[in-house]
Amino acid sequence: EAQVTQNPRYLITVTGKKLTVTCSQNMNHEYMSWYRQDPGLGLRQIYYSMNVEVTDKGDVPEGYKVSRKEKRNFPLILESPSPNQTSLYFCASSQQGADGYTFGSGTRLTVV
Amino acid sequence: DAKTTQPNSMESNEEEPVHLPCNHSTISGTDYIHWYRQLPSQGPEYVIHGLTSNVNNRMASLAIAEDRKSSTLILHRATLRDAAVYYCILRGIRLRNQGGKLIFGQGTELSVKP
Repeated sequence: EAQVTQNPRYLITVTGKKLTVTCSQNMNHEYMSWYRQDPGLGLRQIYYSMNVEVTDKGDVPEGYKVSRKEKRNFPLILESPSPNQTSLYFCASSQQGADGYTFGSGTRLTVV
Repeated sequence: DAKTTQPNSMESNEEEPVHLPCNHSTISGTDYIHWYRQLPSQGPEYVIHGLTSNVNNRMASLAIAEDRKSSTLILHRATLRDAAVYYCILRGIRLRNQGGKLIFGQGTELSVKP
């Protein structure tokens, strides 16, 4: 089944403890992207990647890192999480061009 | 990046057609019009996209104005499962790295009454 898989689905962590949220897609898509969703602020793009080793900042990249060493994987790294990064995170992937994005099921992160 | 404007909310009755409008007056010639929906507690789901001509798929139809400054997503027979937030988004592909950006607005919250 074609899908975008995020792990974990739920995560509670403490301020400053580095964490990684994984994202994997099995559709050989070139584009991958991370979003966060917060009440009243909607979906905001964090980072996106056009292909292996090619990434660019979205609208809210501060406090996040990404890497794209393989086409199928696009992990989101929080080097020193803070409470304001408590949010619902979505990973998405798409073919190059005009096609629609496929989204993962989301990761709910709480930083205390 | 070109922006879109949608009503905050709409109501529909079950089994009736629903027309969800979207304005995008600053659209460029290489911007595709995309629609997504997000059901409660789920990730956004791609619905349909188009460039100039009207489009149909199993989920919905997309009607694009001749000047491309507006579009309408049409759900032919609304069901209770169609209650969601619907987002109209422009995806530009003129530049190689432009296709990666997808900017979501606030969307239209559709409620469906039995």
